[in-house]
Amino acid sequence: EAGVAQSPRYKIIEKRQSVAFWCNPISGHATLYWYQQILGQGPKLLIQFQNNGVVDDSQLPKDRFSAERLKGVDSTLKIQPAKLEDSAVYLCASSSSTGLSPLHFGNGTRLTVT
Amino acid sequence: QKEVEQDPGPLSVPEGAIVSLNCTYSNSAFQYFMWYRQYSRKGPELLMYTYSSGNKEDGRFTAQVDKSSKYISLFIRDSQPSDSATYLCAMRSRGGGADGLTFGKGTHLIIQP
Repeated sequence: EAGVAQSPRYKIIEKRQSVAFWCNPISGHATLYWYQQILGQGPKLLIQFQNNGVVDDSQLPKDRFSAERLKGVDSTLKIQPAKLEDSAVYLCASSSSTGLSPLHFGNGTRLTVT
Repeated sequence: QKEVEQDPGPLSVPEGAIVSLNCTYSNSAFQYFMWYRQYSRKGPELLMYTYSSGNKEDGRFTAQVDKSSKYISLFIRDSQPSDSATYLCAMRSRGGGADGLTFGKGTHLIIQP
């Protein structure tokens, strides 16, 4: 079974620029999550999708972050404009359903904002 | 007070030792408990997933949950240098709807050959 795919692996941008990350979940997984992991901390949930609908975006800074999952498969996370404090690893995870199913993570996109 | 507390370490032990990693939590709604292992520049990898209080064993790993004390542990027997990684505890409330995991900070574990 192929894992969760993310791209790019690394991205360096200047503050106030925009950036986008892409995620392809495990085939058949209906639930998709985006997490932000700042160095030395555990991942923090940004947004959860069930198919192409948003279930939870309570911790997403909506003034600068946006995410979509138009066809219920791939997802993109965008930051515009980026701030220095957005430097982090952005992890995508998927699960086959909500509740008991475990989350499977991709290797993340490491973003550096200068 | 953070919802999930975990000592970031680093924790350094000699090869072959028994390792004990712990987390405490404050939210009584948490019902499912997980341990993830994260190697440098990789995503978290699920090690153990448990629901009920008590012990769950898988090879050299044992997960322990004490809901009355809001305390969970992961024990690693016969530790190997390849176990050197960051270990993250994670938990979620009952499923249905929003069920994203809440993570601890992670404990950086070093197994000395």
